[in-house]
Amino acid sequence: NAGVTQNPKFQVLKTGQSMTLQCAQDMNHNSMYWYRQDPGMGLRLIYYSASEGTTDKGEVPNGYNVSRLNKREFSLRLESAAPSQTSVYFCASSEGMRPPTDYGYTFGSGTRLTVV
Amino acid sequence: QKEVEQNSGPLSVPEGAIASLNCTYSDRGSQSFFWYRQYSGKSPELIMSIYSNGDKEDGRFTAQLNKASQYVSLLIRDSQPSDSATYLCAVNSILAGGGNKLTFGTGTQLKVEL
Repeated sequence: NAGVTQNPKFQVLKTGQSMTLQCAQDMNHNSMYWYRQDPGMGLRLIYYSASEGTTDKGEVPNGYNVSRLNKREFSLRLESAAPSQTSVYFCASSEGMRPPTDYGYTFGSGTRLTVV
Repeated sequence: QKEVEQNSGPLSVPEGAIASLNCTYSDRGSQSFFWYRQYSGKSPELIMSIYSNGDKEDGRFTAQLNKASQYVSLLIRDSQPSDSATYLCAVNSILAGGGNKLTFGTGTQLKVEL
């Protein structure tokens, strides 16, 4: 059982280049999320998908787009990378649509992105 | 005011002592709360969740919740060097369209010294 799988694990981009971060979960979770983590800033929500077919902006969506390809996969796209997007990106998933007994997230291993 | 606040630390405790980590949150409507542990260079992993006022124990970990004071804490008994990590407090919000969202604090770095 792989849980949440992210690819790539490391990436270096030049300013203005584009790329897509891939995320897939095999836990049949309804909800998926993209966070970025920067020193001193904690984890900040970029975009989320509460269920298949829906996506919404989080706290820091500018410069990003997402696609919920199916229930398993949720990708994050940087159309024109900027140095300010240098960060560690985490994908996470949760069951989502249940009574509030356990809304804990399962995180992927992260993508370390550097934009030069 | 940040939605979820934690002291960044580092909090240093000797091996075998009790480590106490604290968190305050601003949304009075929040219903569920989580503690995650994150080792350097790794992803966060869930330690405990708590939904009701009072204490919840799981092994060496105890989570405490006081909704009136908007305060969550995590106690680690018999601290071990392997407990050295950053501890993230997270607060759940129910989304209008269904599903849920976690808002994280910036984390408290814990160092357990031999």
